[in-house]
Amino acid sequence: GESVGLHLPTLSVQEGDNSIINCAYSNSASDYFIWYKQESGKGPQFIIDIRSNMDKRQGQRVTVLLNKTVKHLSLQIAATQPGDSAVYFCAEVEETSGSRLTFGEGTQLTVNP
Amino acid sequence: ETGVTQTPRHLVMGMTNKKSLKCEQHLGHNAMYWYKQSAKKPLELMFVYNFKEQTENNSVPSRFSPECPNSSHLFLHLHTLQPEDSALYLCASSQGGLRDQPQHFGDGTRLSIL
Repeated sequence: GESVGLHLPTLSVQEGDNSIINCAYSNSASDYFIWYKQESGKGPQFIIDIRSNMDKRQGQRVTVLLNKTVKHLSLQIAATQPGDSAVYFCAEVEETSGSRLTFGEGTQLTVNP
Repeated sequence: ETGVTQTPRHLVMGMTNKKSLKCEQHLGHNAMYWYKQSAKKPLELMFVYNFKEQTENNSVPSRFSPECPNSSHLFLHLHTLQPEDSALYLCASSQGGLRDQPQHFGDGTRLSIL
């Protein structure tokens, strides 16, 4: 079946380093992708999104890269801070068919001071 | 503050109890969703309401009964739940339906079934 998954369940980085969180998807028809951050005890929070007609999009300290050839999505966080510690997960949707949003399992990012 | 408020934040109930989860969104959105989040599993979509009409029921057992009286409020009525129903239940909203992203989430209700 179709799935969205993450390469690593956990990632530990030093404060100030850059973080890269990866996501693989299998539905080649997916045309919209979202990264969410979920802190302990809170709901998922939208970080950044990207549509399939783009391969890169930048936000504040975050960059999302989309490689449609290998169906790979990544989230890069610059100068990682302790407040970035959370579970990050990607989601995909095939907007043209009105399909439901499909979520990955998540990667736990831990930032060490 | 996400604009989506869920109450209660925590709920412990027995299998024979009846309780309700409440969600209210202050974003002027027209679509609302219920999700189940279990440990180490992806978010599972349960129900979708668009302009107060249920547009999706993702094969959810009848012991979960949603209600959407208006575009700002969403309830999940619970009765005769099972231990495997213990999870975090998340409400979300978006401007339109599934084609209108992203969704904005509340902080969830942590449900424990004894």
